[in-house]
Amino acid sequence: DVKVTQSSRYLVKRTGEKVFLECVQDMDHENMFWYRQDPGLGLRLIYFSYDVKMKEKGDIPEGYSVSREKKERFSLILESASTNQTSMYLCASNRWRPNEQFFGPGTRLTVL
Amino acid sequence: KNEVEQSPQNLTAQEGEFITINCSYSVGISALHWLQQHPGGGIVSLFMLSSGKKKHGRLIATINIQEKHSSLHITASHPRDSAVYICAVFSGGGADGLTFGKGTHLIIQP
Repeated sequence: DVKVTQSSRYLVKRTGEKVFLECVQDMDHENMFWYRQDPGLGLRLIYFSYDVKMKEKGDIPEGYSVSREKKERFSLILESASTNQTSMYLCASNRWRPNEQFFGPGTRLTVL
Repeated sequence: KNEVEQSPQNLTAQEGEFITINCSYSVGISALHWLQQHPGGGIVSLFMLSSGKKKHGRLIATINIQEKHSSLHITASHPRDSAVYICAVFSGGGADGLTFGKGTHLIIQP
């Protein structure tokens, strides 16, 4: 079974803190994605990566950056967390476009 | 950019009822996904389809490419089917992630 894991299920941070969200997949997938999910807005793509050290902006990249130094690991970074970044963050991966995406369990981030 | 609309937004039904959730999109696609999200849980993929119909147990997904429309049906619904069902499309251009509908919150009452 494909497994996508995220470093935390719940996280509470203060405004201005630097926040790292990590995602690891164990199926050698080329593509990895970071989404945020908000009530009434659904899931929105923040960034994705189709190879090590490669990244592409999604629909809402402002305030975020990403890092993919190894194929299995994709990190989302909030350089200076703000309250409007309180959300559920979901990581996903897949092998080929437009193949099925496999999602992690999500990290619920609260920024106070 | 593709616009994905789902209906209804919320649906409450009795156990055993036949359920239909609809999804329409604005621009031609390569594939459409139906996803399921239980409360507090992660998202699992139910179907990926680009034409015709797929069936898995009590779940059936159909797509009409010409009409840019897909439906997810649940036969003999059960309380464990209660979840948010999300339609997502892959258009193949620009950002390579999926474009998601806002989801349909389904509650099946015993």
